[in-house]
Amino acid sequence: AQTVTQSQPEMSVQEAETVTLSCTYDTSESNYYLFWYKQPPSRQMILVIRQEAYKQQNATENRFSVNFQKAAKSFSLKISDSQLGDTAMYFCAFMKPAQLTFGSGTQLTVLP
Amino acid sequence: EAGVTQFPSHSVIEKGQTVTLRCDPISGHDNLYWYRRVMGKEIKFLLHFVKESKQDESGMPNNRFLAERTGGTYSTLKVQPAELEDSGVYFCASSQWVNTEAFFGQGTRLTVV
Repeated sequence: AQTVTQSQPEMSVQEAETVTLSCTYDTSESNYYLFWYKQPPSRQMILVIRQEAYKQQNATENRFSVNFQKAAKSFSLKISDSQLGDTAMYFCAFMKPAQLTFGSGTQLTVLP
Repeated sequence: EAGVTQFPSHSVIEKGQTVTLRCDPISGHDNLYWYRRVMGKEIKFLLHFVKESKQDESGMPNNRFLAERTGGTYSTLKVQPAELEDSGVYFCASSQWVNTEAFFGQGTRLTVV
């Protein structure tokens, strides 16, 4: 069975600064996908970024990037130039088709 | 394009009653998933439909939960009879393929009192 661990229940960052959210996972699978989802207050969960395990290059989506360390089973999310709209619960998730395993989430607050 | 929609957004019922949650996936998405987050715990997988067929229902907690997807379009999740521990947020998601992004609905917050 897969497990996903997010060790930071809450984090805060000043607007325009950079923050990194950590995520580790455990699996015996060799081919899988990793995701970061965000859930703003009272809104639905949306995909932030996706990483295929077979790709060595770290995924990047605008201000969001990941540091994927397959051997260490680590998948951290870096948010650059943080904006107030980034305030949300962030979930790291592992996918073995077609089931997602989520971490417990990190509540990120961007401070003005 | 409409996203995944769930009804109702909130439901408060008494222990022993029945509740039915509904999910309308994105049009054309054959894959539909149900997840739930019990207070203070992780989001957990419940089941996966491919069209109208249950592909994986390994996460269903017990036989008080019944999911259907007649005609391969919308899905319902019925809890009968509801227990206090069923309280939580129930998420529905859909995807075009099993390896692609799952789009989530806003969730149904169920409170059993």
